Amino acid sequence: AQTVTQSQPEMSVQEAETVTLSCTYDTSESDYYLFWYKQPPSRQMILVIRQEAYKQQNATENRFSVNFQKAAKSFSLKISDSQLGDAAMYFCAYRSAHAGGTSYGKLTFGQGTILTVHP
Amino acid sequence: ETGVTQTPRHLVMGMTNKKSLKCEQHLGHNAMYWYKQSAKKPLELMFVYSLEERVENNSVPSRFSPECPNSSHLFLHLHTLQPEDSALYLCASSLAPLARSTDTQYFGPGTRLTVL
Repeated sequence: AQTVTQSQPEMSVQEAETVTLSCTYDTSESDYYLFWYKQPPSRQMILVIRQEAYKQQNATENRFSVNFQKAAKSFSLKISDSQLGDAAMYFCAYRSAHAGGTSYGKLTFGQGTILTVHP
Repeated sequence: ETGVTQTPRHLVMGMTNKKSLKCEQHLGHNAMYWYKQSAKKPLELMFVYSLEERVENNSVPSRFSPECPNSSHLFLHLHTLQPEDSALYLCASSLAPLARSTDTQYFGPGTRLTVL
């Protein structure tokens, strides 16, 4: 079974600075997808960024980028120029690329990292 | 807003009550999901429906009973719950019923359930 580990329960950053959130995962599969989701306080969880395992290039979405190290099974999220609105719980998630069976559509989440942004 | 709505947003119930959670998606998606989010634990997948058929039941106790009458609606019927069932219940939907895609799941705001 796949597992996802976020070793940082809480992180903080000054506004306009850069912060990196860590995520490691364990899988025996070679084809899968990785996601970072953001859950602001009392608001809906939304997708921040996603990465296909077969792509070597790291995904980037505006101020958000990932450092995907497939051999090390590491998938960190870097937030540049942090803003107050980035404060949230961040979840790393894994999904198999194989259809059918017990892995169907299943997202496996890490425990989450609470990010605080200081003005 | 992600196009997925959930009602009610908050629910307090006794252990002998019967209640239902409702989820509706306005995205034209084919797959819908129920997750349980407890404090200090990762989100846990409970049920998956694809094209209105249940395709996964993650060993969830029978006191939770899902229903998917059509591709836009998903219910979670609750009866004789325990205090440890108190949690945030999240609904999600996605476009493709097949796992082999970058298919993204869109989440609703959740129902905060408290069982007394």
